[in-house]
Amino acid sequence: GAVVSQHPSWVICKSGTSVKIECRSLDFQATTMFWYRQFPKQSLMLMATSNEGSKATYEQGVEKDKFLINHASLTLSTLTVTSAHPEDSSFYICSARDLGTLPSGATDTQYFGPGTRLTVL
Amino acid sequence: AQSVAQPEDQVNVAEGNPLTVKCTYSVSGNPYLFWYVQYPNRGLQFLLKYITGDNLVKGSYGFEAEFNKSQTSFHLKKPSALVSDSALYFCAVRRYSGSARQLTFGSGTQLTVLP
Repeated sequence: GAVVSQHPSWVICKSGTSVKIECRSLDFQATTMFWYRQFPKQSLMLMATSNEGSKATYEQGVEKDKFLINHASLTLSTLTVTSAHPEDSSFYICSARDLGTLPSGATDTQYFGPGTRLTVL
Repeated sequence: AQSVAQPEDQVNVAEGNPLTVKCTYSVSGNPYLFWYVQYPNRGLQFLLKYITGDNLVKGSYGFEAEFNKSQTSFHLKKPSALVSDSALYFCAVRRYSGSARQLTFGSGTQLTVLP
């Protein structure tokens, strides 16, 4: 199946610093990637939809100036947490949308990266 | 709007017994339905999906799911559970067509298979 990687897998940083997380689709091109946040023992919360070559679409309540998303190529999207604070500590997961083989994209499936554990001290 | 309900936070089953993880959905129009599994500190792994066609969908690791339109359900099943199946399982839905391509996830069900 399709493979999505994330880097780093974990990061610890000081409060006030910025952290960049990379999401790559390794064996397919993804015009659309998604960024999720997951708290312990909870479901995934969609933060934003990242579209290659255009601005990301943020979900309600997600600060776009704090969570900067760049989707510069068909295989790479980055999430930068700016001026991180302890409350930003979480598990961040990306997914990439594989459109599949049908022209309509009707069989598209999201494949997920392994996640990045962010701890802000 | 679309939504997914996983009514059980926790399911325990003995190894070798059949397992069922329940999921019901609500979506306007025809649904795409997905099951994902998450192991501790890992991302989600795709198990199977229903798009159209046969209501019984077979996926990875011996899992299958049955789409029931009248009951708006998409329960995950496996005939014989393994201890290694212990994980967190998420059901997800999105509309068949339209601009809203985002998945909506259920709250997750923790499956524990007891040896």
